[in-house]
Amino acid sequence: SQTIHQWPATLVQPVGSPLSLECTVEGTSNPNLYWYRQAAGRGLQLLFYSVGIGQISSEVPQNLSASRPQDRQFILSSKKLLLSDSGFYLCAWTPWGQGPPWEKLFFGSGTQLSVL
Amino acid sequence: DAKTTQPPSMDCAEGRAANLPCNHSTISGNEYVYWYRQIHSQGPQYIIHGLKNNETNEMASLIITEDRKSSTLILPHATLRDTAVYYCIVRVVASNYQLIWGAGTKLIIKP
Repeated sequence: SQTIHQWPATLVQPVGSPLSLECTVEGTSNPNLYWYRQAAGRGLQLLFYSVGIGQISSEVPQNLSASRPQDRQFILSSKKLLLSDSGFYLCAWTPWGQGPPWEKLFFGSGTQLSVL
Repeated sequence: DAKTTQPPSMDCAEGRAANLPCNHSTISGNEYVYWYRQIHSQGPQYIIHGLKNNETNEMASLIITEDRKSSTLILPHATLRDTAVYYCIVRVVASNYQLIWGAGTKLIIKP
C-alpha cells in the first residue's frame, strides 16, 4: 500500500532563517506531487506541483521554492523566511497516469510552521 | 472559475444523518465535484466525488442536483469521529491541477 511521510510535524523558525520541509511517498512510482499551504481557518492554497523529477510548476509567486531530486521525494525550501510564511504546510500525491479525476489527493499529516 | 458556497458551521446529533449542502452554480459541464474532510491539525481526507450521477461509497453519499448547481454530502450515521471541516471543491477548467478550496463547513457531531 502507498504511504506518504512528511516531517517535521511542527517547526518554529526565526524570521530570515532558511527552511527545508521534506516529503516522501512509498509504494508507488512516478507520482504527481503537491505542496499546499493552509492559513488558520482557511482552505488550502496550492503552492507547487510536480509531474516528474526536476519538473516543478509554481502556482503562486512567493518566497518559497520546491524541488524534486528523486522520483518520490518533494522538498519545500526558503532561503529567508518571512512572517507571512507561517502556516500549515501539506504535501500530497496523486497516482501517475490515472485518468480524470486527477484530483483524488492523498495528503500527508502536515507541518505547522511558525515564523517568529 | 467554478467556486463553491458552504455554510460555515453545522451541528448534528450522533447517530443521525448529517446532510452538508454545497452550492456551485457556475460549475462547468466537465467539472467534477469533490468532497474532502479535515480533522483538526491533520491532512485532508478524500471522501467522494461525482460528475452528474449520485454516488455512494463506504464513507458517504453524494447527491448532485439535475442542473448540477448544488450538491449534498450525506453521512448516514454520524459519529463523534465525523467532527471535522468538510470541503466541497470543484476543479478550475483552465488548470490541470488546481482545486479551489473554500473555508468549508465545520461539522460538529454532538452526543
